[in-house]
Amino acid sequence: SQQGEEDPQALSIQEGENATMNCSYKTSINNLQWYRQNSGRGLVHLILIRSNEREKHSGRLRVTLDTSKKSSSLLITASRAADTASYFCATAVKAAGNKLTFGGGTRVLVKP
Amino acid sequence: DGGITQSPKYLFRKEGQNVTLSCEQNLNHDAMYWYRQDPGQGLRLIYYSQIVNDFQKGDIAEGYSVSREKKESFPLTVTSAQKNPTAFYLCASSALGRADTQYFGPGTRLTVL
Repeated sequence: SQQGEEDPQALSIQEGENATMNCSYKTSINNLQWYRQNSGRGLVHLILIRSNEREKHSGRLRVTLDTSKKSSSLLITASRAADTASYFCATAVKAAGNKLTFGGGTRVLVKP
Repeated sequence: DGGITQSPKYLFRKEGQNVTLSCEQNLNHDAMYWYRQDPGQGLRLIYYSQIVNDFQKGDIAEGYSVSREKKESFPLTVTSAQKNPTAFYLCASSALGRADTQYFGPGTRLTVL
């Protein structure tokens, strides 16, 4: 079973709206990361949040981490058509050598 | 221009044939990884290597083989023993001890005819 599970599986919004997606995981983590994947392409690293951090910002991205609930959220503010992509969370577990375990992803469609 | 390259971008294979996917990096990373991605799914780890001439199985290694003869290169062979090889394959690399910060190649889409 996957360490990270994302919700929703798909999201459709209008340009300018905010997009929020969630990631839940099962075991204690060292850090959690979010990646973006455009259709048929490789993954691009967006942001990393460590287990002792609660919130992090990068441009229009805001990530929160609640280790007590074993969950994280990614918020994309003022979305653009170019934000259309799949977004994946990945967890790094120290006991596993910090190798990444990926969730199933959220497919985001931003309509112009 | 540093990065990870994968070739080919698209690959077609007949059933029963072995096929090798190429992954090269010029980031001077010690560790390299192969992932498989099925449609609408996340990534699953096939094999990884932390140093030349050494590699370990990931979660779904059956039907795959790798070699790591050079630091820059980590080819993946999809053998005829892999029952359902049609998928998107992604290669990644990281600095040693930094498996949590991986850089990804553009991927190879393998289709078995």
